[in-house]
Amino acid sequence: SYVLTQPPSVSEAPGKTARITCGGNNIGSKSVHWYQQKAGQAPVLVIYYDSDRPSGIPGRFSGSKSGNTATLTISRVEAGDEAAYYCQVWDSSSDRRGVFGGGTKLTVL
Amino acid sequence: QVQLVQSGAEVKKPGASVKVSCKASGYTFTSHDINWVRQATGQGLEWVGWMNPNSGDIGYAQKFQGRVTMTRNTFISTAYMELSSLRSEDTAVYYCARGTTMVTPLDDWGQGTLVTVSS
Repeated sequence: SYVLTQPPSVSEAPGKTARITCGGNNIGSKSVHWYQQKAGQAPVLVIYYDSDRPSGIPGRFSGSKSGNTATLTISRVEAGDEAAYYCQVWDSSSDRRGVFGGGTKLTVL
Repeated sequence: QVQLVQSGAEVKKPGASVKVSCKASGYTFTSHDINWVRQATGQGLEWVGWMNPNSGDIGYAQKFQGRVTMTRNTFISTAYMELSSLRSEDTAVYYCARGTTMVTPLDDWGQGTLVTVSS
């Protein structure tokens, strides 16, 4: 079945740029969605279709994709960005269809 | 605004069943799939399955085949997920989320329902 690989943790200082990667075989042919989950809360969509941003999500959040890797970039990191971030794709060949990466915990130093 | 409001926490014994509800408002219930995702404590998100509230079409992750049943009541804009033969590993927060399976992101989520399986 299809697998998305994320680093377990990323740390960055306030004001810097954090990058969270999501690797998957042939991910270039799939649309990648990103969710932010703060402690004790439900996930929130922050990037969809690789690089689109829902209304209400700050412009500091952006998404990109190259080769077998999708990247969520958070510019000018703030304390309030500390959360777990998950990438997600739909995969018709997978028995699971809805596939999530393992999640990356962003720590703001 | 779109809202998905889930039923309250449940405590079940191993072998029992649990039924979680998800009441939708703020949009046409039959126009978007409802997906179910679970999260064990301290773990990541795991997709359980989807249901089309208009047609009743369903799809389950293979891991849950035979144990999960997704239904809906369109008159009250409510989706349900029932999980049977519960075991301790099913202890998790279960979320419903709106999104067209295989097409769109999951753009709105319920608040989650904690299901605890314990003897």
